[in-house]
Amino acid sequence: AQSVTQLGSHVSVSEGALVLLRCNYSSSVPPYLFWYVQYPNQGLQLLLKYTTGATLVKGINGFEAEFKKSETSFHLTKPSAHMSDAAEYFCAVSDQGGANNLFFGTGTRLTVIP
Amino acid sequence: DAGVIQSPRHEVTEMGQEVTLRCKPISGHNSLFWYRQTMMRGLELLIYFNNNVPIDDSGMPEDRFSAKMPNASFSTLKIQPSEPRDSAVYFCASGTPRDTEAFFGQGTRLTVV
Repeated sequence: AQSVTQLGSHVSVSEGALVLLRCNYSSSVPPYLFWYVQYPNQGLQLLLKYTTGATLVKGINGFEAEFKKSETSFHLTKPSAHMSDAAEYFCAVSDQGGANNLFFGTGTRLTVIP
Repeated sequence: DAGVIQSPRHEVTEMGQEVTLRCKPISGHNSLFWYRQTMMRGLELLIYFNNNVPIDDSGMPEDRFSAKMPNASFSTLKIQPSEPRDSAVYFCASGTPRDTEAFFGQGTRLTVV
């Protein structure tokens, strides 16, 4: 069975500072891993995903995440936060069974301070 | 493509009333998902259709909830009778077997008073 743990339901950073959102997963098989972003009053939008191959994955809006099997982690980073990055971020895992097997974390709300 | 389209965007109804939420998936997608998002429980998968057939409805909270997909381009989620604890944002998402991720609509914010 899969599960996802997002450490920190709220993260605040200053504009221009490093963004680090943490995600740890549990999966009995090699996982597919995802980060989704949800802007206020919007649906979830895929930010990036890891399926196979290179463990450092680049996504939209300057975000990237690294799959670390030994740490069962898939942390999301961005070198320099922008005001427009303020949103809720969800980590998700699937057992390669497709979108019907997506398990979402509880989300991390990112606040960017001017 | 316009993406997954949900209607209405907002719905306010009185307890006991029937509520119907609608979803139009992305053309060509044969998988459709209904999710519910609340502060307390986060994002929960309610039901999953493949080729218009319900595959897994184990997430549907109780018999008051029902979902249908009469054709490949339309699905409904019905709550009858509605209760205040059903207040949440309901998302529809679609995908294909080749996709590893789901594509989400903008959601319907339901408030039951």
